Order: sequence, then structure tokens, then C-alpha cells
Amino acid sequence: QVHLVQSGPEMKKPGASVKVSCKASDHTFRKYGIGWVRQAPGQGLEWMGWINDYNGNTNYAQKLQGRLTMTADTSTSTAYMELRSLSSDDTAVYYCAGGILSGGVIDYFDYWGQGTLVTVSS
Amino acid sequence: SYELTQSPSVSVSPGQTARITCSGDALTKQYTYWYQQKPGQAPVLIIFEDNERPSGIPKRFSGSSSGTTVTLTISGVQAEDEADYYCQSADSSGSGTVVFGGGTKLTVL
Repeated sequence: QVHLVQSGPEMKKPGASVKVSCKASDHTFRKYGIGWVRQAPGQGLEWMGWINDYNGNTNYAQKLQGRLTMTADTSTSTAYMELRSLSSDDTAVYYCAGGILSGGVIDYFDYWGQGTLVTVSS
Repeated sequence: SYELTQSPSVSVSPGQTARITCSGDALTKQYTYWYQQKPGQAPVLIIFEDNERPSGIPKRFSGSSSGTTVTLTISGVQAEDEADYYCQSADSSGSGTVVFGGGTKLTVL
């Protein structure tokens, strides 16, 4: 059973950056990739992107391109999501989620981290 | 951009059947996945590839597809099924761009 553990809550000011980590246990990096999904307070799920941590390929949601970077450290089984130029609209719970790589892409997510609350406020 | 449309809410009494629909043009070409999310918890995958259940998911959850509409059916609804349900698919380009529906709140009366 794969288990994802995320870093703790963050409080940031507008214009700052945030980096959230996601450590995987029993994650077979060549079989699975890691995606990120966020959920603003009282809102639905929003897909942010994913990383194929085997070859480093990424796919980001168009609206976040230019502000978002996903990386993975296979030596520590940890994935990272960095979001820059934060605004209050970025206040949300950020989830990492693992999914099987099929044809080099992730189509869905089998297992999820516990979520990390990022609050952006002046 | 590609969108999936869900009705905002569904209400049923215990023991009845709940049907939650999701519509989108690319659903004729791509699989649909369903997640259940209870308050304060992370989503849980309950249906993959239109109608397959992961291990541990009760048989009362099932999925079906017809044209551009897919349906999550919960037979014999239980109080513990009250949650938000999200459909999810990928765009038809094969790029792996993922999209979620807006979610449906299931209320068990």
C-alpha cells in the first residue's frame, strides 16, 4: 500500500513563493508518477499538473504555466511542487496524488496525500 | 478548454439508488474516473476506466457510460455515502491533461 506524506501548512504573503513536499513510501517510481491537485475553500478539485519522475517529464495546467514547477528526488522518494507569485486566489489545500504511468502520462490517481493548506494573506 | 459538467447536488433516502451524471464531449474517447471526498479528507478513487472498482470499494458503487454522459450509480445508499463526488477524465489529445468535473454533493436524507 503506497503512502504519501506531505509537508505542513504554510502561510505566505502575496507575491511570495511556496514549495510543498510529498514523500512516498513503497512508490515504484518507474511505474507511478505524481500529480498535484488543489482545492480552494468550499470549491471543487482543480488539476495542477503531474511529473513523470522516471524521466522528469511534466505536464502543467495551462493557467498555471510560468508560475508552477514540479520536481522529484528519486533518491529520497520525494516530489515537490513550487508555486510562485502567489495571490489570495492561490489559497487552497494542495494534494499530491500518485497514478500509474500509461504511455508516459498519468490519466488518474490511485492514492492521495493528506493535503497541505497554503494560505496567502497580507 | 475541455470541461466536465456535473449537477451540483443529489438527494436520496437511505436504501434508495443515487445516480450522479457527468457530461463532456471527450467522454466518448476517454475513460472516466470517479472520486469520493468526505469533509476534511482527501479524495478516494472509487471507479476507474468507466466501470471498474478498485479493491476495497463496495459493490454498490458502479459506473456506466453512454455517449457523452457517464453515470455513477450508488445502489442501496447508506448514510456513510454522503459526500462530494467528482468525475475526472483526460483530454483526447493523449497529452495527459486531466480535468475534473465541478463535483456533486450527495445528501442522504
